[in-house]
Amino acid sequence: DSGVTQTPKHLITATGQRVTLRCSPRSGDLSVYWYQQSLDQGLQFLIHYYNGEERAKGNILERFSAQQFPDLHSELNLSSLELGDSALYFCASSKGGSAYNEQFFGPGTRLTVL
Amino acid sequence: QQQVKQSPQSLIVQKGGISIINCAYENTAFDYFPWYQQFPGKGPALLIAIRPDVSEKKEGRFTISFNKSAKQFSLHIMDSQPGDSATYFCAAQGGSGGGADGLTFGKGTHLIIQP
Repeated sequence: DSGVTQTPKHLITATGQRVTLRCSPRSGDLSVYWYQQSLDQGLQFLIHYYNGEERAKGNILERFSAQQFPDLHSELNLSSLELGDSALYFCASSKGGSAYNEQFFGPGTRLTVL
Repeated sequence: QQQVKQSPQSLIVQKGGISIINCAYENTAFDYFPWYQQFPGKGPALLIAIRPDVSEKKEGRFTISFNKSAKQFSLHIMDSQPGDSATYFCAAQGGSGGGADGLTFGKGTHLIIQP
């Protein structure tokens, strides 16, 4: 158990809908990273928040957004969902906001868009 | 553009043998190279990591070899055990973002250790 929690575990929804994925980092970790894992694209970095502020964006679509709240939990919002958005979404947390800080991954949320 | 190339895609090794997975990167600004292990239904977990100021790092049965001039690094699993059967990902971080950017992952290697 990494200490990172993600809810829900599974999510099934329809095209065009909007969903929110939630992540609670390990106690004391200030950074939250979001990743998408799919069969064709592999593991891809989406976005990084550090202590409530956006630090970096990766391959995140404009339909997707995220935020980190004062209690350091983070939410990833996915809107206007398409079939191709079906994937595993992981969040990872780390103490600092730079390289060399080990990232601890949560168990993921499996999103299925029908 | 795939910045971290990983091979092989799949690997079958006999119990007790050596498993070797290779990765090559393009961005010379990367300065942190971790390996992650992922079991089905779980998130990736850090196995071992190296920085480019050393050429080798060993932790138990796991060794990373790093060749900065060739921009390549590899994972060696000695005395491979059935419990090592998993998907392994190499990754890289650093670059212009100084680590603010997330990890750039290879495509993964599905390792099977046959008893």
